[in-house]
Amino acid sequence: QITLKESGPTLVKPTQTLTLTCTFSGFSLSTNGVSVGWIRQPPGKALDWLALIYWDDDKWYSPTLKSRLTITKETSKNQVVLTMTNMDFVDTATYYCAHRRAAAQYFDFWGQGTLVTVSS
Amino acid sequence: QSVLTQPPSVSGAPGQRVTISCTGSSSNIGADYDVHWYQQLPGTAPKLLIYGNRNRPSGVPDRFSGSKSGTSASLAISGLQAEDEADYYCQSFDRSLSAYVFGSGTTVTVL
Repeated sequence: QITLKESGPTLVKPTQTLTLTCTFSGFSLSTNGVSVGWIRQPPGKALDWLALIYWDDDKWYSPTLKSRLTITKETSKNQVVLTMTNMDFVDTATYYCAHRRAAAQYFDFWGQGTLVTVSS
Repeated sequence: QSVLTQPPSVSGAPGQRVTISCTGSSSNIGADYDVHWYQQLPGTAPKLLIYGNRNRPSGVPDRFSGSKSGTSASLAISGLQAEDEADYYCQSFDRSLSAYVFGSGTTVTVL
C-alpha cells in the first residue's frame, strides 16, 4: 500500500525559504522509472505542478518557478524534499506530494497535503 | 492561467448524465499526450479517477468514463449521485513547456 505524507512549516514570512518533506512508504525511489512530484493548490484555485524527481535523480521543474525550486531525494529514508526560495504571499497554498509510477504521466497516489501560509 | 481549460461548473439532477470538457492545444492534448482526470472531494486531496484518457483505476465506478479527441478530452458522469459533488481536474503533459499541466477545474453540483 502506497502512502505519502507532507511535513513542514505551516507559516513562513515573505522572502524566507520554504522546505517541505515528503515521507513515503509502499514503494522505493530506487525502483526503475518511479518518481515523486510536488503539486500545489492555492485556496479556492486549481492544481499547479511544481517539480518531479526520478529514481535516477533526474529532475524536472515548472518553467515558471524553476529559479526558485530545488527537489532532492533521500532514498534510504524514503523522503523527497522540496525547497522554494523567496516566498511571497501568492505562494500561500496546500502543497501535495504524489507518486508517479514508471512509464505513466499521471499521479496515482497523493499525500493529504499541507497548508503553507505566507504572512508577515 | 491554466494551460487546459475547463468549464467552472456543471450541475445535474440525481440520475442524470453530465460531461466536463477539457480543452488544450497542439502542444499538449493535440500532441498525443494522454489526459487524466482527478476527483477532489471537499477538503481532501485529489484522487486519480481516469488515466490514459479512458481507463479507471480499481475501485472507481463505471459511471465515470473518459474520452479524448483532437485537442480536447471529456469526462462523463452517468447516473449522477450526491457523492459525486466535487471538483474535477484534467491533467496532461505539455511538450512546449516540458511540464505537467492541469486544467482550471470544474465544480460538479448535484441539484
